[in-house]
Amino acid sequence: DSGVTQTPKHLITATGQRVTLRCSPRSGDLSVYWYQQSLDQGLQFLIQYYNGEERAKGNILERFSAQQFPDLHSELNLSSLELGDSALYFCASSAGLARDTQYFGPGTRLTVL
Amino acid sequence: LAKTTQPISMDSYEGQEVNITCSHNNIATNDYITWYQQFPSQGPRFIIQGYKTKVTNEVASLFIPADRKSSTLSLPRVSLSDTAVYYCLVGEKGGSQGNLIFGKGTKLSVKP
Repeated sequence: DSGVTQTPKHLITATGQRVTLRCSPRSGDLSVYWYQQSLDQGLQFLIQYYNGEERAKGNILERFSAQQFPDLHSELNLSSLELGDSALYFCASSAGLARDTQYFGPGTRLTVL
Repeated sequence: LAKTTQPISMDSYEGQEVNITCSHNNIATNDYITWYQQFPSQGPRFIIQGYKTKVTNEVASLFIPADRKSSTLSLPRVSLSDTAVYYCLVGEKGGSQGNLIFGKGTKLSVKP
């Protein structure tokens, strides 16, 4: 158990819909990262937040957005969903801004029908 | 960001030592080398990290030659439960950007 929690575990929705994925980092960790893993793309970095502020952006679509709240939990919002958005979404946390030793959550499996 | 190259797959048998090599020719002075393990439908798990020479923990050893252009993850006496994808990543420790660039990884299959 990494100490990072993600909800829900599974999510099934339809194209065009909007969903919110939630992540709680390890106790004391200030950085939260979101990754997408699909069969054909591998593990792709989406976005990073540090203590409530956006720090880095990766291959995140404009339809996707995220935020980190004062209690440090984070939410990833996916809107206008397409079939290709079906993937595993992982959240990771680390103590600070360091690029090392990120602890990953169990992931949320999103299926768009 | 330094790019890494590692074998796509490897096969081994239980009880053997497995060495997975990663090439990172353009590694920067401030870069560290980190390895993650991922089981199907689970998040990657940190295994080991090093800067130079040798690092050992309860799970694995990491060998880094003097030129640091490659590194080798060594798993002693693997078991069936070590079947997973192993990722080698290179990046700056303490850098302002924390995103990890995952390659394809090495799919290790351990057979009985």
